[in-house]
Amino acid sequence: GAVVSQHPSRVICKSGTSVKIECRSLDFQATTMFWYRQFPKQSLMLMATSNEGSKATYEQGVEKDKFLINHASLTLSTLTVTSAHPEDSSFYICSARDSSSGSNEQFFGPGTRLTVL
Amino acid sequence: GNSVTQMEGPVTLSEEAFLTINCTYTATGYPSLFWYVQYPGEGLQLLLKATKADDKGSNKGFEATYRKETTSFHLEKGSVQVSDSAVYFCALLFSGGYNKLIFGAGTRLAVHP
Repeated sequence: GAVVSQHPSRVICKSGTSVKIECRSLDFQATTMFWYRQFPKQSLMLMATSNEGSKATYEQGVEKDKFLINHASLTLSTLTVTSAHPEDSSFYICSARDSSSGSNEQFFGPGTRLTVL
Repeated sequence: GNSVTQMEGPVTLSEEAFLTINCTYTATGYPSLFWYVQYPGEGLQLLLKATKADDKGSNKGFEATYRKETTSFHLEKGSVQVSDSAVYFCALLFSGGYNKLIFGAGTRLAVHP
């Protein structure tokens, strides 16, 4: 089946540093990937839609300069949390849509837990 | 706006018990509805889906029927197993714009032997 990986699975960083999270589709190509954020005991909230070869589309209230998204290839999207602060600590999950299937189904990665000290 | 409300957990059941996890939605238009499952330490997996009113999605003994009149998509299973212990998310796909998924808060299910 369609597999999506994320790296790293966990990261701890100091306040003020930047952290990059990778999302890869392992056995399919994805022109569209999605980045979600999940707070404890809460819903997944869509942060942005990542489109290969073009700028990401951010949801209302999500700072573009804070959460940089790059989707440079059909199998890789990256989310960089710039100048991270403790309030950015969260579980970040990506998903990808198979470009060749014609389906809207999203395949999810296992998530990355970010802790900012 | 579009939203999904599902029952709060945790839901604790004994093996072979009947499971219902309630999900209701608010949406403009005619969304597709989904149930995702997240097992410990893993990503979300699609459990089942329904794309129009009165459709029934089913998989692995789980079922859910798209009820437009009650705007509901309740998840049911007749006999749960310990291996069903996970977090279950109800979601709707808002097809306007960018085909965005909107999730409920998730319901944790714990099944004991």
